[in-house]
Amino acid sequence: AQKVTQAQTEISVVEKEDVTLDCVYETRDTTYYLFWYKQPPSGELVFLIRRNSFDEQNEISGRYSWNFQKSTSSFNFTITASQVVDSAVYFCALSEAWETSGSRLTFGEGTQLTVNP
Amino acid sequence: NAGVTQTPKFQVLKTGQSMTLQCAQDMNHEYMSWYRQDPGMGLRLIHYSVGAGITDQGEVPNGYNVSRSTTEDFPLRLLSAAPSQTSVYFCASSYSRTGGTNEQFFGPGTRLTVL
Repeated sequence: AQKVTQAQTEISVVEKEDVTLDCVYETRDTTYYLFWYKQPPSGELVFLIRRNSFDEQNEISGRYSWNFQKSTSSFNFTITASQVVDSAVYFCALSEAWETSGSRLTFGEGTQLTVNP
Repeated sequence: NAGVTQTPKFQVLKTGQSMTLQCAQDMNHEYMSWYRQDPGMGLRLIHYSVGAGITDQGEVPNGYNVSRSTTEDFPLRLLSAAPSQTSVYFCASSYSRTGGTNEQFFGPGTRLTVL
């Protein structure tokens, strides 16, 4: 069975601070996909990134960066120079290969990030 | 493309009432699914479908029925609503195939309250 754990329930930072959201996953598959979604106060789910299990390169997109480490089964998300608009709930999710899971996503519990001005 | 649409956006039911949450996608996606979101528990999979005429249970299927008669539509039925079904419901669809990226597109959600 697959599992995703986001141990940080809530994080509060002051604007311009860097913040890292942790994500640890469990799966028996060798092929899998990891995702991060943002859920702002308006409630919709916003796709941020997808990473497959064969690509361990870290990724940077503007102020966002992701650190994927298979050795520790972690896929952490860092926001640099946080802004008030980053305040949201962030979800990490795991999907095994289409052949075995049909794209079913297993979500972590979510981390509520509050960025104070 | 409208993407994934869900209706209604909000609904209040009394215990024992039945209703159907509608979900439609216009991207010709084969895979569709329903999740519920509860505080502190993330999103949990209720039912999913890998194509028209094929459905299967997810993690929390009890109290819900689904059917998939067309590629576009995947309604979720609550036969006898219970307060424990108070939640936010998200529908999602995906085009993934072998070697694909499994990206799911989510609808805007339906907030359901059962009194």
